[in-house]
Amino acid sequence: DTGVSQDPRHKITKRGQNVTFRCDPISEHNRLYWYRQTLGQGPEFLTYFQNEAQLEKSRLLSDRFSAERPKGSFSTLEIQRTEQGDSAMYLCASSWVKGSSSYEQYFGPGTRLTVT
Amino acid sequence: GQNIDQPTEMTATEGAIVQINCTYQTSGFNGLFWYQQHAGEAPTFLSYNVLDGLEEKGRFSSFLSRSKGYSYLLLKELQMKDSASYLCAVTYNTDKLIFGTGTRLQVFP
Repeated sequence: DTGVSQDPRHKITKRGQNVTFRCDPISEHNRLYWYRQTLGQGPEFLTYFQNEAQLEKSRLLSDRFSAERPKGSFSTLEIQRTEQGDSAMYLCASSWVKGSSSYEQYFGPGTRLTVT
Repeated sequence: GQNIDQPTEMTATEGAIVQINCTYQTSGFNGLFWYQQHAGEAPTFLSYNVLDGLEEKGRFSSFLSRSKGYSYLLLKELQMKDSASYLCAVTYNTDKLIFGTGTRLQVFP
């Protein structure tokens, strides 16, 4: 399977703990995106990378959130001092972008985070 | 803001046709995507419109009017498996997707 993969699929943590999620994009894709989705809502943009460079961060991404894509391949999203409001599905997507055109983003299965 | 508006819920009968509308703010508009999302699963790509007009792909078609800030997704010959949420998403200037809240479609026999 050469789709986008995410690990873990589910994470339950206690408030105040740190969590880290991993995303492996489709191998030839140069762009990688993180979104967050809560029940009954559409996904909300968090951040995205072009290769290893983080190009944009949403204002939703507080200083407790950090994302990296160190070698331009997989990416990690870390949440420090988790709060109950962080409970959501964290979706990763990837795409191949050339120039200024938009292309289809392929989504991974998501990591469901529950903060107790 | 860049409000993406679509109906919250729709119902239809198996074999019928349903149209899901989406409106958006036009300033800075780049392109519009439709995604399907079954409960508990990731969104899957259905269509992409950047120019005015209708894009047909099997039972699904998507229409765009850039000047009106309007799109619709047309689903023909509905099947039970089409019961899902349909997400309208727009790109403005950058590549990030701005999603609407999604339209939950229920197909009844």
